[in-house]
Amino acid sequence: EAGVAQSPRYKIIEKRQSVAFWCNPISGHATLYWYQQILGQGPKLLIQFQNNGVVDDSQLPKDRFSAERLKGVDSTLKIQPAKLEDSAVYLCASSLVTQAYNEQFFGPGTRLTVL
Amino acid sequence: AQSVTQPDIHITVSEGASLELRCNYSYGATPYLFWYVQSPGQGLQLLLKYFSGDTLVQGIKGFEAEFKRSQSSFNLRKPSVHWSDAAEYFCAVGGDGNEKLTFGTGTRLTIIP
Repeated sequence: EAGVAQSPRYKIIEKRQSVAFWCNPISGHATLYWYQQILGQGPKLLIQFQNNGVVDDSQLPKDRFSAERLKGVDSTLKIQPAKLEDSAVYLCASSLVTQAYNEQFFGPGTRLTVL
Repeated sequence: AQSVTQPDIHITVSEGASLELRCNYSYGATPYLFWYVQSPGQGLQLLLKYFSGDTLVQGIKGFEAEFKRSQSSFNLRKPSVHWSDAAEYFCAVGGDGNEKLTFGTGTRLTIIP
């Protein structure tokens, strides 16, 4: 079974530029999560989708971050414009259903450096 | 609000020695507790989870954890570590029906020969 795929793996941009990350969850997984992991910290949930609807985006900085999950499969996370403090690893995860006891499977992440 | 504290930022142990990583949580009801491991350049992998029942849970790679409600703790243990166990370990908490996980800041484990 293929795991969660993310691209690109690394991205370096200058502040005020825009960037987009892509995630393809495990086939059949209805729930998709985007996490931000700043160096030295644990992952922080940015947004959660159930199929193509948003379940929780309370910690998403909506003035600069946006995410979509068209057709309820793959997803993109965009930052526009980027700030220095956005430097982090962006992790995508998926699970079968939206319940705490269903394991979340994580992708390898995209490491973003903002200069 | 739910929270997780991992008091040890970095732990070094000798190969073959026993290991205990500490995790304390704050949650108003019955928590769902998880331990994840993250190797360099990799995503997080679930080691074990606790929802209810036996407070000592077994996981993959020879790890176990014990839920102690009175101490709000969920410490991870392994009787004998291997060099391949070197990684970052994260404790996380969620709630009943609340799929949102809150992670601790992680403990980096270094193994010395």
